Amino acid sequence: DAGVIQSPRHEVTEMGQEVTLRCKPISGHDYLFWYRQTMMRGLELLIYFNNNVPIDDSGMPEDRFSAKMPNASFSTLKIQPSEPRDSAVYFCASSRQGATGELFFGEGSRLTVL
Amino acid sequence: KQEVTQIPAALSVPEGENLVLNCSFTDSAIYNLQWFRQDPGKGLTSLLLIQSSQREQTSGRLNASLDKSSGRSTLYIAASQPGDSATYLCAVRTSGGSNYKLTFGKGTLLTVNP
Repeated sequence: DAGVIQSPRHEVTEMGQEVTLRCKPISGHDYLFWYRQTMMRGLELLIYFNNNVPIDDSGMPEDRFSAKMPNASFSTLKIQPSEPRDSAVYFCASSRQGATGELFFGEGSRLTVL
Repeated sequence: KQEVTQIPAALSVPEGENLVLNCSFTDSAIYNLQWFRQDPGKGLTSLLLIQSSQREQTSGRLNASLDKSSGRSTLYIAASQPGDSATYLCAVRTSGGSNYKLTFGKGTLLTVNP
């Protein structure tokens, strides 16, 4: 299995631009999570999906952030407009069996907003 | 609100030493606990997953224990090697309805010196 695949690995953009991060979960996994990691705050859960349906988006910072999962093999996290404080590493993770399932992470997308 | 603390924040040991990393959590009503390893610039790699009904899990030179009542877990690494150098994170999945949030600690940065 190829594991969780994220793209792009690195993104540098200017403040105000739209950013789209992509994730392909492991085949057969029915839970997908988006996390953000910074030095100050560590790993924070932004949103998670079960069977393509958003379950908890309480971690999404503000309306500038949105996430979709149009099918079982693809999800996007969009930031519009981006701000310098959005600079972080964004991770996608997937699991099956919900609460009992082991979580598998992608390599992350490092975002820098100038 | 679940809070996860890892002590120490950083640890440096000579090669061959046995070591223990600590993780504590405030809400003992957990579903499971997972230990991860993160190498610089990389995603998180799952090491061990302990369900709430289990006391410990072993994988090779790694042994993780769980004491749910006291809100503690330890990761024991035997005969440490330079390749074990990484940040180790523990994450707790707190039970409660359909919410399967993982709460992460800030991690312990381990350096094993040759």
